[in-house]
Amino acid sequence: GESVGLHLPTLSVQEGDNSIINCAYSNSASDYFIWYKQESGKGPQFIIDIRSNMDKRQGQRVTVLLNKTVKHLSLQIAATQPGDSAVYFCAENRGDYKLSFGAGTTVTVRA
Amino acid sequence: DAGITQSPRHKVTETGTPVTLRCHQTENHRYMYWYRQDPGHGLRLIHYSYGVKDTDKGEVSDGYSVSRSKTEDFLLTLESATSSQTSVYFCAISEVAGGSEQYFGPGTRLTVT
Repeated sequence: GESVGLHLPTLSVQEGDNSIINCAYSNSASDYFIWYKQESGKGPQFIIDIRSNMDKRQGQRVTVLLNKTVKHLSLQIAATQPGDSAVYFCAENRGDYKLSFGAGTTVTVRA
Repeated sequence: DAGITQSPRHKVTETGTPVTLRCHQTENHRYMYWYRQDPGHGLRLIHYSYGVKDTDKGEVSDGYSVSRSKTEDFLLTLESATSSQTSVYFCAISEVAGGSEQYFGPGTRLTVT
């Protein structure tokens, strides 16, 4: 079936380096994608979103890239900080009010 | 957590007992959702509501029922809890449909022994 998934379950990154978290999706009808951050013991927190008619969107220290040709989504975090350690989820909206989530990537920042 | 509370935050119950989890929001958002989160599965939608008394099933609805009698409250009931329902349950809200981000509550950790 169609689903959202992340390429790697874990990512270890040196403090100060840039992080890239990847997500593959298979539903070409999805029109909206979101990245969430979940810290230990908390609910997911919205980071940034992108619509299918865009290929790039920037926020504060984060950039989301969307490649519809290969159905790939990525989240780039600039100058990764210890507070960025968390699980990151991508989610897709297929045109209704439901989201489909990937399994998540755990990011660990090394000091 | 965007004006969303969940109660209880932790619960241990025995197999076969009924359990009700409550989600309360102060944002007056129309849409409310219940998810469960298990290792390796991310978040999976159980049920959702698109208005008072308007609810529908998600992808893992078996064994769960919901009710929404007021805009601010969305209840999730496990009629007869099973060990497979041990999980962390999250409530979420959104203001509009079709493209709006969802805001999540702090979660309820449920253990069924």
